[in-house]
Amino acid sequence: DAGVTQSPTHLIKTRGQHVTLRCSPISGHKSVSWYQQVLGQGPQFIFQYYEKEERGRGNFPDRFSARQFPNYSSELNVNALLLGDSALYLCASSRGQHNEQFFGPGTRLTVL
Amino acid sequence: GNSVTQMEGPVTLSEEAFLTINCTYTATGYPSLFWYVQYPGEGLQLLLKATKADDKGSNKGFEATYRKETTSFHLEKGSVQVSDSAVYFCALSALQGAQKLVFGQGTRLTINP
Repeated sequence: DAGVTQSPTHLIKTRGQHVTLRCSPISGHKSVSWYQQVLGQGPQFIFQYYEKEERGRGNFPDRFSARQFPNYSSELNVNALLLGDSALYLCASSRGQHNEQFFGPGTRLTVL
Repeated sequence: GNSVTQMEGPVTLSEEAFLTINCTYTATGYPSLFWYVQYPGEGLQLLLKATKADDKGSNKGFEATYRKETTSFHLEKGSVQVSDSAVYFCALSALQGAQKLVFGQGTRLTINP
């Protein structure tokens, strides 16, 4: 079975631009979570979606938003990009809201 | 709030050496505890977990025991291999609300042949 997939793999944007990152969960998984991993640090929780509803939000500004589609895939949107948004963005899927999370390879975002 | 503190890296060992990476946590209630591993250029992989006090998680020769009295979950391996070179993250998850994983800062491990 395919694991969690994310697109694109790498992305370069300039300050002030908008970005959309995509995630496809493992088949049968209904929950998707997003994490931001700044270089040299551990991942930080951004959002969890389960059954297309937001179930949790981390300490991130309103520039960050997400949604989950009927097929359980998800998008993470970031508006008005800042240099500090440069990071590896990880998506994780799980069967239910409290089951083991399986991580994708991440999208590397660079903001210039 | 919940937090995880793990041993500063980087850690460099010779093959077949004994490994310990320390991890302590602060949490309300009784969280689940995890060790994740990140190989170069890859996402996170769950290495092992423990869901209640005194549980021992184990996988691929790695072990960690959930110690409630010392709020610790130290990772150990008796004989490391070059292929164990990676970044290791300790994490916790509270049992209520969203399944939000709280990670430590990571420990980079390099094993020399």
